[in-house]
Amino acid sequence: GDSVTQMEGPVTLSEEACLTINCTYTATGYPSLFWYVQYPGEGLQLLLKATKADDKGSNKGFEATYRKETTSFHLEKGSVQVSDSAVYFCALSDQHAGNNRKLIWGLGTSLAVNP
Amino acid sequence: GAVVSQHPSRVICKSGTSVKIECRSLDFQATTMFWYRQFPKKSLMLMATSNEGSKATYEQGVEKDKFLINHASLTLSTLTVTSAHPEDSSFYICSARRGTGTYEQYFGPGTRLTVT
Repeated sequence: GDSVTQMEGPVTLSEEACLTINCTYTATGYPSLFWYVQYPGEGLQLLLKATKADDKGSNKGFEATYRKETTSFHLEKGSVQVSDSAVYFCALSDQHAGNNRKLIWGLGTSLAVNP
Repeated sequence: GAVVSQHPSRVICKSGTSVKIECRSLDFQATTMFWYRQFPKKSLMLMATSNEGSKATYEQGVEKDKFLINHASLTLSTLTVTSAHPEDSSFYICSARRGTGTYEQYFGPGTRLTVT
């Protein structure tokens, strides 16, 4: 079945450092890909998404490119801030479930940014 | 728009009792709601998918008689944990999707259940 693998954390960086969180997937067909973020004490929020190969999703300085050839959707940011400290989840949408399509989740990567 | 609330945010109950958790879409109609369980340092585990007016679809391994889901209206779904045990202690999260042609889910803030 479809699956998502993302790098294990925790990741600890200093402010203004570069961030990459790796995410790879296995899926039949052409899933949509997502990054969700969970800030401390808050619910999950959609950070960015890409719906087809070579699409780049971007938001709040974060970017991820849908790479079909490497089945990857790595999350990147050039300069992280303390406020980026959160747990980041990579996910793909199940394309085969019709109206009940669901999200397949990675395990989440915790990011801590120190001032 | 697209705000989802959950109530309560935290609940502590005694073993053997039942607990109801509410999930509401505040500013949109949710044709589909999802219930997840999140374990410490683990990803989200989808428990069930509920469509308004019909029975919930449970994921493999989730006991439907223990985790009762009701989606009685387009803005409200409830999860009842029946005869709760300490191993049911967890963080329960709901999400809601509007319409059927979209994949985007909007998440509630979660409910921390502790069973003593």
